[in-house]
Amino acid sequence: GNSVTQMEGPVTLSEEAFLTINCTYTATGYPSLFWYVQYPGEGLQLLLKATKADDKGSNKGFEATYRKETTSFHLEKGSVQVSDSAVYFCALLYNSNYKLTFGKGTLLTVNP
Amino acid sequence: EAGVAQSPRYKIIEKRQSVAFWCNPISGHATLYWYQQILGQGPKLLIQFQNNGVVDDSQLPKDRFSAERLKGVDSTLKIQPAKLEDSAVYLCASRGERKTQYFGPGTRLLVL
Repeated sequence: GNSVTQMEGPVTLSEEAFLTINCTYTATGYPSLFWYVQYPGEGLQLLLKATKADDKGSNKGFEATYRKETTSFHLEKGSVQVSDSAVYFCALLYNSNYKLTFGKGTLLTVNP
Repeated sequence: EAGVAQSPRYKIIEKRQSVAFWCNPISGHATLYWYQQILGQGPKLLIQFQNNGVVDDSQLPKDRFSAERLKGVDSTLKIQPAKLEDSAVYLCASRGERKTQYFGPGTRLLVL
């Protein structure tokens, strides 16, 4: 079945550091891929998405590229801020039934 | 555009009691989802509605959980009787014509 594996956290960085959160997936066919962010006490917000191979999703300085050959969708940001502290979830959408499968989430803490 | 609304935001009950959560999706969104998010894990789909019909409830513990969306708009998720392991955040999401799901703030349930 479909599954998503994220790097385990927590990840702690200093402000302006480079961020990478690894995400790999297992799926039949060609899913769409998403990163969601969950700030403390809130629901999930869509951060970025990519719907086909080699697509790059980007938003708020975050980027992720859909790599079919390595079945990956790693999240990157060149310079993190304290306000980026949150839990980040990688997810895939199976296009035939629009079901989202989530990874376990990675807690990011950015210190000033 | 208003987002997905959920209530209550927090609920504390004792085991074997019953509880109900309410969700109002984004206006015009035909598809509505209920997820369970246990601490430290990604959301897990419980049930998916298309208008007022159930599309997928394969992960719903039907001996104690029930959900309805009678008029194809808002929805209610009920647990009766609650168990300790039901302590989690219950997220509602909705989707329009595109693939993106939009999430509400969630209801945090603690079963004592």
